[in-house]
Amino acid sequence: EPEVTQTPSHQVTQMGQEVILRCVPISNHLYFYWYRQILGQKVEFLVSFYNNEISEKSEIFDDQFSVERPDGSNFTLKIRSTKLEDSAMYFCASSAASAYNEQFFGPGTRLTVL
Amino acid sequence: AQTVTQSQPEMSVQEAETVTLSCTYDTSESDYYLFWYKQPPSRQMILVIRQEAYKQQNATENRFSVNFQKAAKSFSLKISDSQLGDAAMYFCAYRSSRDAGNMLTFGGGTRLMVKP
Repeated sequence: EPEVTQTPSHQVTQMGQEVILRCVPISNHLYFYWYRQILGQKVEFLVSFYNNEISEKSEIFDDQFSVERPDGSNFTLKIRSTKLEDSAMYFCASSAASAYNEQFFGPGTRLTVL
Repeated sequence: AQTVTQSQPEMSVQEAETVTLSCTYDTSESDYYLFWYKQPPSRQMILVIRQEAYKQQNATENRFSVNFQKAAKSFSLKISDSQLGDAAMYFCAYRSSRDAGNMLTFGGGTRLMVKP
């Protein structure tokens, strides 16, 4: 069964460094998402992406964040200058053409900022 | 903005018994979608069941069913004949039908433990 994959599973970085989290959505999906979950807190929406542009973004998704679909398969989240409070699980998700369709989630990348 | 509340941080059920997880939400919209996601210890969230707000009939998927009370803005999940594999975090989620970005708003989650 097709699934969303994410790499790396765990990323440790120093405060102020740039990180890129990678996701491979399900191949025929057209909508892509990033969510994050700070330890012990709710899963929070960051951004959605469709047709090579951002469809919607939350207040969390400020100028330090960016997303890109550099090729036909990968979907990346870049954090330019990491802060301690960026430490969280980051989940990528994708869904098919219809807005009603289920969002399929990846296993997540645990980001630790030291 | 919509909010989703899960008032039970943890629940416990005996294997083969039935358990109900609660979820309430706040919205001013009349058309929306509601979901229950399961997050096993491996941490990959999977969809358990979904409900369209315009449908009066409660959704059912095998052992999983919902009690959708639109006026009360309540969306509880019932798991019948609980199995050890049902142990996980369960998240209730809301999505507006008008939202072009398909954003999911999640509740805080309920950790379900299943006792053998």
